[in-house]
Amino acid sequence: GQNIDQPTEMTATEGAIVQINCTYQTSGFNGLFWYQQHAGEAPTFLSYNVLDGLEEKGRFSSFLSRSKGYSYLLLKELQMKDSASYLCAVRSSYNTDKLIFGTGTRLQVFP
Amino acid sequence: GAGVSQTPSNKVTEKGKYVELRCDPISGHTALYWYRQSLGQGPEFLIYFQGTGAADDSGLPNDRFFAVRPEGSVSTLKIQRTERGDSAVYLCASSRDTNTGELFFGEGSRLTVL
Repeated sequence: GQNIDQPTEMTATEGAIVQINCTYQTSGFNGLFWYQQHAGEAPTFLSYNVLDGLEEKGRFSSFLSRSKGYSYLLLKELQMKDSASYLCAVRSSYNTDKLIFGTGTRLQVFP
Repeated sequence: GAGVSQTPSNKVTEKGKYVELRCDPISGHTALYWYRQSLGQGPEFLIYFQGTGAADDSGLPNDRFFAVRPEGSVSTLKIQRTERGDSAVYLCASSRDTNTGELFFGEGSRLTVL
């Protein structure tokens, strides 16, 4: 089976740093992805991790530990426009390219 | 087109009716995915195509759901005998580089079954 867990909601203040965690249990592993989805809009790709460690891309960074089945998305210098849902997704094996998504974490940034 | 195009953007139908949802992927993208998303939930995988063939249809909930991609570009998701529980946003995505897993999503088709 496959299970992806992330917190349902988080709040933070403009200018702050927030870390969104994701844990997963899958029958195989071939990459972890983070997507951003603003209300009423389509998800957009943020990051991809397949090896352990931190991937940095501007204000956003994503970390992966395969042995722990754990990832986090770090958002720095928060802006109001970062208020959105953040979706963790896992590609579970080498013979399929489907992504399995978690339920998403709704982040609200306050001034 | 520049992005993934889905039609209709909204569809309201009655229980028991047949519905078709269309997806036009980004030109040159060989992989095409269908997901559905209910309010407050993440996208739920339905089916994905590599070219014309369904590479993985394990997410289709039952035999009322069917999808085709006859020429390896446009895809149609077909739902027979719709039920109220089928109400959701149906998202289509396409991908060129399956290594990075970057999917480009359309705006979705919101289906409401009364």
